[in-house]
Amino acid sequence: EILLAQSPGTLSMSPGERGTLSCRASQSVSSNYLAWYQQKPGQAPRLLIYAASNRATGTPDRFSGSGSGTDFTLTISRLEPEDFAVYYCQQYGSSPFTFGPGTKVDIK
Amino acid sequence: EVQLVESGGGLVKPGGSLRLSCAGSGFTFSNAWMTWVRQSPGKGLEWVGRIKSKTEGGTTDHAAPVKGRFTISRDDSKNTLYLQMNSLKTEDTALYYCVLYYGHVWGQGTTVTVSS
Repeated sequence: EILLAQSPGTLSMSPGERGTLSCRASQSVSSNYLAWYQQKPGQAPRLLIYAASNRATGTPDRFSGSGSGTDFTLTISRLEPEDFAVYYCQQYGSSPFTFGPGTKVDIK
Repeated sequence: EVQLVESGGGLVKPGGSLRLSCAGSGFTFSNAWMTWVRQSPGKGLEWVGRIKSKTEGGTTDHAAPVKGRFTISRDDSKNTLYLQMNSLKTEDTALYYCVLYYGHVWGQGTTVTVSS
C-alpha cells in the first residue's frame, strides 16, 4: 500500500498570496496517477487536478499541479477567498487508491 | 449532467448489516468503474473500494479494513452501484460517498452510524 504524507498540515495565508502544498508518496506513483481534491465544509470533495498536472474541467488556472515519482505539489498562484478549504492528494496508480491526510488552508 | 445519488444509510447496531445504493445518471454507467469513499466525522477521506466495468472484467478491490465484511457490486440494468456492509463496527461510522472513476464526480453521500 502506498502511503501519502501531506505538508504542511495547516497553511495560514492571506488572499492574494501564493500557496504551495506538498504530497509525498512512500513509493513511486505509477504513471504519476496523482490527483488533488478540494473540500469545503459540508460539501463533497471536488477534483481539481488529475495525473499530477492536468486541470479538471472547471478548475481555475490559478491552481497548478506538478511533480512525478514520489514528490508532488499543488500550487495556488493567488489565493481567492473561495479557496480556503481542505486539500487532499490521492494516488490511483495502484490499489488501494490511498488518500493523504489533507492540508487545511485557512485565513491568516 | 452527471449525477450520483446515494441512499440506504442509517443507524445500525454493531454486528449488523446495511446495504447502500448509488444511482448514476448523465453518463454511460455500464462503461464506468465506480468507487466508494468514506469520511468519518471530522476526519479525512478513506478509500473503501472499487468495481471495474463488466468490459474490464467487473472485478473488485476492497481496502484492508473492510475486506471480508464489505462487498461492492453493480447492476448496470439499473445504473446502480451497491455497497453491502456486514459485521459493522463502530469505526465504520462515516459519510459514504459514491464516486465516478477514482474521483471525477462525487455524490453528496449517505451517513452510516454504527452504535448500540
